[in-house]
Amino acid sequence: EAGVAQSPRYKIIEKRQSVAFWCNPISGHATLYWYQQILGQGPKLLIQFQNNGVVDDSQLPKDRFSAERLKGVDSTLKIQPAKLEDSAVYLCASSLEAGGTYEQYFGPGTRLTVT
Amino acid sequence: AQTVTQSQPEMSVQEAETVTLSCTYDTSENNYYLFWYKQPPSRQMILVIRQEAYKQQNATENRFSVNFQKAAKSFSLKISDSQLGDTAMYFCAFHFGNEKLTFGTGTRLTIIP
Repeated sequence: EAGVAQSPRYKIIEKRQSVAFWCNPISGHATLYWYQQILGQGPKLLIQFQNNGVVDDSQLPKDRFSAERLKGVDSTLKIQPAKLEDSAVYLCASSLEAGGTYEQYFGPGTRLTVT
Repeated sequence: AQTVTQSQPEMSVQEAETVTLSCTYDTSENNYYLFWYKQPPSRQMILVIRQEAYKQQNATENRFSVNFQKAAKSFSLKISDSQLGDTAMYFCAFHFGNEKLTFGTGTRLTIIP
């Protein structure tokens, strides 16, 4: 079974530039999550999708971050414009359904450096 | 809001020894899930072990076991016969209902050959 795929693995941009990350979850997983992991901290949920609908985006900085999951499969996360404090690893995860019963499977992450 | 605290930023232990990682959490809920995740260097995060709060029996997975103390809101992870491949960041996490998974700040564990 293929795992959660993410690209790119690394990205370096200057502040005020735009960047996009892509995630392809495990086939059949209805729930998709984007996390931000700042160095030295645990992952923080940015947005959760159930199929192609948003379940929780309460911690997404909506003035600069956006995410979509148009067909209920893969997803993109965009930052526009980037700030220095956006430097972090962006993790995508998926699970069969939402809730603690269902294990979340994580992708390898995209390491973003904003200079 | 739920909080998860890991008070040991770093730990190291000799190969083959046993090590215990600590985690405490704060919640007013009664039925929830607790997890330990492992994040090896430059590799993806994987689930190590899960505990349902309504179960009194501590979860075990091979060399990994937990000590779940519900009243004390404590959830420690014990790794027996530690191996070099156990070197990683370990995150404790809490999940209730349809709310988000809440992670602690992690413990960096190094196994010394």
